[in-house]
Amino acid sequence: EIVLTQSPGTLSLSPGERATLSCRASQSVSSSYLAWYQQKPGQAPRLLIYGASSRATGIPDRFSGSGSGTDFTLTITRLEPEDFAVYYCQQYGRSLQTFGQGTKVEIK
Amino acid sequence: QVQLVESGGGVVQPGRSLRLACAASGFTFSNYFMHWVRQAPGKGLEWVAVISYDGSNEYYADSVKGRFTISRDNSRNTLFLQMNSLRAQDAAIYYCARDSAPLAGTPIGYWGQGTLVTVSS
Repeated sequence: EIVLTQSPGTLSLSPGERATLSCRASQSVSSSYLAWYQQKPGQAPRLLIYGASSRATGIPDRFSGSGSGTDFTLTITRLEPEDFAVYYCQQYGRSLQTFGQGTKVEIK
Repeated sequence: QVQLVESGGGVVQPGRSLRLACAASGFTFSNYFMHWVRQAPGKGLEWVAVISYDGSNEYYADSVKGRFTISRDNSRNTLFLQMNSLRAQDAAIYYCARDSAPLAGTPIGYWGQGTLVTVSS
């Protein structure tokens, strides 16, 4: 089972600032099957990024993903008020899948 | 539009069983991998299980392997999760979820609103 470790646990930033979230895998993620999700309180998660760097439908271009192998990054270039939420990385595919423990992006 | 509606949650004693169901509509159910994902109160997401579009393959998280069984009835557009030997740490909101694209393993694109399972004596 691939273990995903996200850092930091909490990111305190102001609107307009840049957010950089990390996701490290315990072993290489095949074919960059790495996704990022956003979850707000009381809501189901929403897919942001798949294939490590492709934005899902309707996701603003201030969200970008990068990385390969075991190290992946989600970047939000200029935080909007609606971006304050919890973000999860996930390795996916046709079999076993796992989520990271999440990074909370909170208003400073 | 895609709809996933879970049912079957509730309060159950440790060691007992519970069966969750997820009614799917708005898409061709038999074309998609389907998942169960859970979230304990105030905690992160935990992937539980996935089943292939035709039900021929199933995979489970280590934490539930041997106790939980995922299944589907493509004639009824319904996904199931049979949970046996429940433990306190199984208490969570259980989400039914669908892959974003048909046939192949892709990231989760749609989620239900979840059903709450409480394990308590």
